[in-house]
Amino acid sequence: SQKIEQNSEALNIQEGKTATLTCNYTNYSPAYLQWYRQDPGRGPVFLLLIRENEKEKRKERLKVTFDTTLKQSLFHITASQPADSATYLCALDRQGAGNTPLVFGKGTRLSVIA
Amino acid sequence: DADVTQTPRNRITKTGKRIMLECSQTKGHDRMYWYRQDPGLGLRLIYYSFDVKDINKGEISDGYSVSRQAQAKFSLSLESAIPNQTALYFCATGPGQGARGNQPQHFGDGTRLSIL
Repeated sequence: SQKIEQNSEALNIQEGKTATLTCNYTNYSPAYLQWYRQDPGRGPVFLLLIRENEKEKRKERLKVTFDTTLKQSLFHITASQPADSATYLCALDRQGAGNTPLVFGKGTRLSVIA
Repeated sequence: DADVTQTPRNRITKTGKRIMLECSQTKGHDRMYWYRQDPGLGLRLIYYSFDVKDINKGEISDGYSVSRQAQAKFSLSLESAIPNQTALYFCATGPGQGARGNQPQHFGDGTRLSIL
């Protein structure tokens, strides 16, 4: 069966450390993978997109990797801050053609402790 | 003003009532989506529309219907609400297929629906 899994429901980390969130998938062949941030009571907000031919993507303190052999994406937040506390969702395109909706993971709730 | 606006933001209603949730967007996007979010289950796709004349079922469409009234408007209806449809509902939009695959989605802030 097809699955997209994020490694844990919740992750607690000390301020200043690097947070690493994992997204694994099985039986999909996505052309790209996206990461979103969701705050309580708000809709998800797009953060980064990484394509299958890109190993790594960076945006300020965020870094995403994409390993199509391992079927895994890692999402890193360096020098984490309490304001980074939120739920982070990964999403992928089922077939890589752009004509099917995204599939979302259940999310990881990150808490950065001061 | 928000790019994707959902109304109402909160709704409490009774079993058996007909309910309509509305979504409008100012992003000029062709694609619109309805999701529900439940604790522990994540975002699940109910219906989606790639243009005004296109409507497709998602993974959990039973008990729901949609109408794409215009490029900017996509409404979700519960014909006869039941308690297990209590959830947080999100509308999202996205541009048409980009040259190299799908594009990011833009979400509204949700409608919290409670069915008693």
